[in-house]
Amino acid sequence: DTEVTQTPKHLVMGMTNKKSLKCEQHMGHRAMYWYKQKAKKPPELMFVYSYEKLSINESVPSRFSPECPNSSLLNLHLHALQPEDSALYLCASSQDRNLNTEAFFGQGTRLTVV
Amino acid sequence: GQSLEQPSEVTAVEGAIVQINCTYQTSGFYGLSWYQQHDGGAPTFLSYNALDGLEETGRFSSFLSRSDSYGYLLLQELQMKDSASYFCAVSIPTGGFKTIFGAGTRLFVKA
Repeated sequence: DTEVTQTPKHLVMGMTNKKSLKCEQHMGHRAMYWYKQKAKKPPELMFVYSYEKLSINESVPSRFSPECPNSSLLNLHLHALQPEDSALYLCASSQDRNLNTEAFFGQGTRLTVV
Repeated sequence: GQSLEQPSEVTAVEGAIVQINCTYQTSGFYGLSWYQQHDGGAPTFLSYNALDGLEETGRFSSFLSRSDSYGYLLLQELQMKDSASYFCAVSIPTGGFKTIFGAGTRLFVKA
C-alpha cells in the first residue's frame, strides 16, 4: 500500500465553522506533512511531524491546528477561517524526515471558505 | 532566504526531448527533488539528487551540479501524458530537514 488517503476530497465551510481534515498512511512512514497549494502555485509547507511530534510550524496562523494522534494519522483542525484560506490542502508522508527519501502525497482536500 | 528559479512554461512536440532547468539559492543544501503534478492531481515524486551527476529513471533523468547550484530534469520520448507541471524542490537543513518547492514549470506536449 503506497497510498496517502485524505478525507474529505472537497469541503465548503463558513467562516464561523469548525472542521477537520484527515490524512492516513499505512506505509510505516514516520514523517508527515501538511502543505497548502493555491491554483497555479507550488505547494507551501505548513507543518511537519516527525515521529508524531511537531517539528516544523511555518508560522501558520493559529486558526489552523495540526494533530498527529498516532504514526498513521494526521489531522488538520480548522476554525474561523478566512476566504483567502481557500486552497488545496495536501498531506504527504516520507519514511523519515532526515532521510533523503521521496514524499508521497495524498490527492488533497479542496477547501472553499465562504 | 531561499529561492528557486525555473521557467514558467515549456512547449515541445511528442517524441522530442525537453530539459527543464532549476537554479537555487539556499542557506544549506541536502538535495534537489523533482515532482510532477497533473491538473487536479497530487504531486508525484520523480527523482532526487544529493550528489553531482546524472540520475536516470526510464524516460526521465535528473542532473545536479552543487557547485553551480543548478539542476535539470530531462524528459525523453515525450508523450502527451507528460503534459503537466514540474516542480523542482530543494531540501535544506532548516528546522532539521525541510523541502521547499520552486514555482513550477508547465510543460505542454503537442502532437
